[in-house]
Amino acid sequence: DGGITQSPKYLFRKEGQNVTLSCEQNLNHDAMYWYRQDPGQGLRLIYYSQIVNDFQKGDIAEGYSVSREKKESFPLTVTSAQKNPTAFYLCASSIGGGTYNEQFFGPGTRLTVL
Amino acid sequence: SQKIEQNSEALNIQEGKTATLTCNYTNYSPAYLQWYRQDPGRGPVFLLLIRENEKEKRKERLKVTFDTTLKQSLFHITASQPADSATYLCARTDSWGKFQFGAGTQVVVTP
Repeated sequence: DGGITQSPKYLFRKEGQNVTLSCEQNLNHDAMYWYRQDPGQGLRLIYYSQIVNDFQKGDIAEGYSVSREKKESFPLTVTSAQKNPTAFYLCASSIGGGTYNEQFFGPGTRLTVL
Repeated sequence: SQKIEQNSEALNIQEGKTATLTCNYTNYSPAYLQWYRQDPGRGPVFLLLIRENEKEKRKERLKVTFDTTLKQSLFHITASQPADSATYLCARTDSWGKFQFGAGTQVVVTP
């Protein structure tokens, strides 16, 4: 089955620790995205990548880092510099970075900082 | 700054009625608007896309309109069912492919 997967589904982290969230897609999509969603709020864009080995900051990139070494993978690292990392993180992909392409979302990772 | 806004109040509607949601945007007019459905604890799912030169788009019981003069899109669910209960998000992209989502409107359909 084609799709986009995220792991783990739930993640707990102690303050001061870095943590990496996994995102993999087998849809052969060029573009991938990371969003953060807080309770009662919409999706906020963290980083996006339209092609391998290239990525751009979204609206709330501070405290996060990404890499895009392979087309199918776009991991997100939440660093200790992120002041309030507890949130629901969503990864998405689209065929290309064009304005008309729909996004396909993964199931999300819920990160809780203890 | 560029904004895309949706009604934050939940929409409570009786089964069989039509639910109408609004999406308003500021500044530039997007070439496309997209609508997604999100269930609690899950990722959004794409529903419909409408182009700026399209006045209306339909898919089964869903209908979307796009008014570039008012800078507004309306999303209708006709003959609503309890299974339609979810949060509905609108989104636009800029010319670099960067998506901007609204906060979403929760729809609750009661039998």
